[in-house]
Amino acid sequence: EPEVTQTPSHQVTQMGQEVILRCVPISNHLYFYWYRQILGQKVEFLVSFYNNEISEKSEIFDDQFSVERPDGSNFTLKIRSTKLEDSAMYFCASSGRWDSRYEQYFGPGTRLTVT
Amino acid sequence: EDKVVQSPLSLVVHEGDTVTLNCSYEVTNFRSLLWYKQEKKAPTFLFMLTSSGIEKKSGRLSSILDKKELFSILNITATQTGDSAVYLCAVGRSGGSNYKLTFGKGTLLTVNP
Repeated sequence: EPEVTQTPSHQVTQMGQEVILRCVPISNHLYFYWYRQILGQKVEFLVSFYNNEISEKSEIFDDQFSVERPDGSNFTLKIRSTKLEDSAMYFCASSGRWDSRYEQYFGPGTRLTVT
Repeated sequence: EDKVVQSPLSLVVHEGDTVTLNCSYEVTNFRSLLWYKQEKKAPTFLFMLTSSGIEKKSGRLSSILDKKELFSILNITATQTGDSAVYLCAVGRSGGSNYKLTFGKGTLLTVNP
């Protein structure tokens, strides 16, 4: 069964460093998302991406964050200068057609630890 | 601001019991409600509900949506230890480029043998 994959599974970085989290969405999907979950808290929306541009972003998704789909398969989240409060599990998700865009399938997540 | 409230926050049952998990929501321009199961890491999709009163079923799991009263329930019959997980409810809005899901805090279900 097709699934969303993410790498790495765990990333440890120092405050102020740049990180890139990578995702390979389900191959025929058109809509891509990043969510995060701080330990013990809710899953929170960060950004959605369609047709090579951001379609919606949350207040969390400030200038330190960017997303890219550099080729036909990868979808990346970059954090330019990490802060301690960026420590969280980051989930990539994807969905197919317009009428099923809410039926989002999640990857296994990347645990980001900022020290 | 969209709100999704799940209850109870946690629940401990014995194998074979039936459980009902609740999700209530306040969202402008409601479009759909989704249930996910989160074990160790990724939320795994269970159901998406858009129409009131129509039950979705998959094996021992079923869910129904009440758009008038703004809630949904997830039922699990004949629970097994493998059902132990956090169950997440999320809602999506319609209109414009709104694609995001807003999640509740989840219900932690523990099924003891």
